Amino acid sequence: QQQVKQSPQSLIVQKGGISIINCAYENTAFDYFPWYQQFPGKGPALLIAIRPDVSEKKEGRFTISFNKSAKQFSLHIMDSQPGDSATYFCAAISGNTPLVFGKGTRLSVIA
Amino acid sequence: DVKVTQSSRYLVKRTGEKVFLECVQDMDHENMFWYRQDPGLGLRLIYFSYDVKMKEKGDIPEGYSVSREKKERFSLILESASTNQTSMYLCASSLGDPWGEQYFGPGTRLTVT
Repeated sequence: QQQVKQSPQSLIVQKGGISIINCAYENTAFDYFPWYQQFPGKGPALLIAIRPDVSEKKEGRFTISFNKSAKQFSLHIMDSQPGDSATYFCAAISGNTPLVFGKGTRLSVIA
Repeated sequence: DVKVTQSSRYLVKRTGEKVFLECVQDMDHENMFWYRQDPGLGLRLIYFSYDVKMKEKGDIPEGYSVSREKKERFSLILESASTNQTSMYLCASSLGDPWGEQYFGPGTRLTVT
């Protein structure tokens, strides 16, 4: 019940296309859903996050869509660029407990 | 900007050695975390600490211990390194709320031979 399932494991998108990464969870107590971006040789960095009282959050080209009833959330990257090539982790947390991470999606944006 | 630093980027140790990985954060964060990252397994929590001298086991604490004597410093100790502890080790810190907003260090790639 503590798992966050992330798909796909890897993704190749053409430059200018839309990248979509999906995550699903079971624990309805989760109340904060961040996405982390990790470039090779670096630690993950917080990209964008959402709480379950909203269905969508947008920051620039990055959008989180949240479906509370389906217990799913997704990251959309619009107009994907080669510089977006990285590994993306979804995560979830319930109050003051450790983050539960998905296993990651390696995104490659090709020109 | 929050800065989390780790003592080494790369480390090579022999089986059976005692290994210390140090992490320091400069933003007075209460919470600190140690993860290991392996291909296909994502980020797995080893230990975390929500206050000085406090520690809690994560998902994979076996073979590891931690120390937090000062708020800004969190150390991961491998008492007797083994080859299956070859991995990327990541330290992170966060403020009290939300715990989910974590700041990561650059990682230490540890190889045990």
